[in-house]
Amino acid sequence: QKEVEQNSGPLSVPEGAIASLNCTYSDRGSQSFFWYRQYSGKSPELIMSIYSNGDKEDGRFTAQLNKASQYVSLLIRDSQPSDSATYLCAGPLNTNAGKSTFGDGTTLTVKP
Amino acid sequence: EAQVTQNPRYLITVTGKKLTVTCSQNMNHEYMSWYRQDPGLGLRQIYYSMNVEVTDKGDVPEGYKVSRKEKRNFPLILESPSPNQTSLYFCASSSLTGLRYEQYFGPGTRLTVT
Repeated sequence: QKEVEQNSGPLSVPEGAIASLNCTYSDRGSQSFFWYRQYSGKSPELIMSIYSNGDKEDGRFTAQLNKASQYVSLLIRDSQPSDSATYLCAGPLNTNAGKSTFGDGTTLTVKP
Repeated sequence: EAQVTQNPRYLITVTGKKLTVTCSQNMNHEYMSWYRQDPGLGLRQIYYSMNVEVTDKGDVPEGYKVSRKEKRNFPLILESPSPNQTSLYFCASSSLTGLRYEQYFGPGTRLTVT
């Protein structure tokens, strides 16, 4: 089992809809998770981090962490065509902020 | 402006010819990492460094070397490149202060080994 697994997608939603991206992880000791956005041909960009159970909101983005079920999700409200990108979930193992494992990514397309 | 630079951006080389990809950051971050990204395999960590002279293996370290002699620089060395090292490489720097984590990636280096 991979340490971090994502719904491989691709995911397509209409403009204005909610996009839901999900990730599961295997290491119960993982303390923190991160979501990155990667536009085609560009480098990944950190957009959200979450460290505790529950929700964390930042503008149109909400990250959710459920440690008991070992999943983390990213919700994008009012999706825009500019949100079309590949979203990567990543989880540093335990508290070692140097080592990180990424999921394979989910490609999101927001259709006007 | 926070910046991670990589050079070269594109490189075509032949099997066995040693090469170095440089990485530099201007944010005084303690952590730096190298990743490779391949279609269908996602982003995989090669090596990382927690500070000067402190490095450790990531998930795919075979065939690579790194060094961290200065805080700002973290070069990736391929002593004897092989075609299976053809990939897109990203350098990243990061810091963790309390619960505040920030990470920036370089623009990437596309390497082709023939």
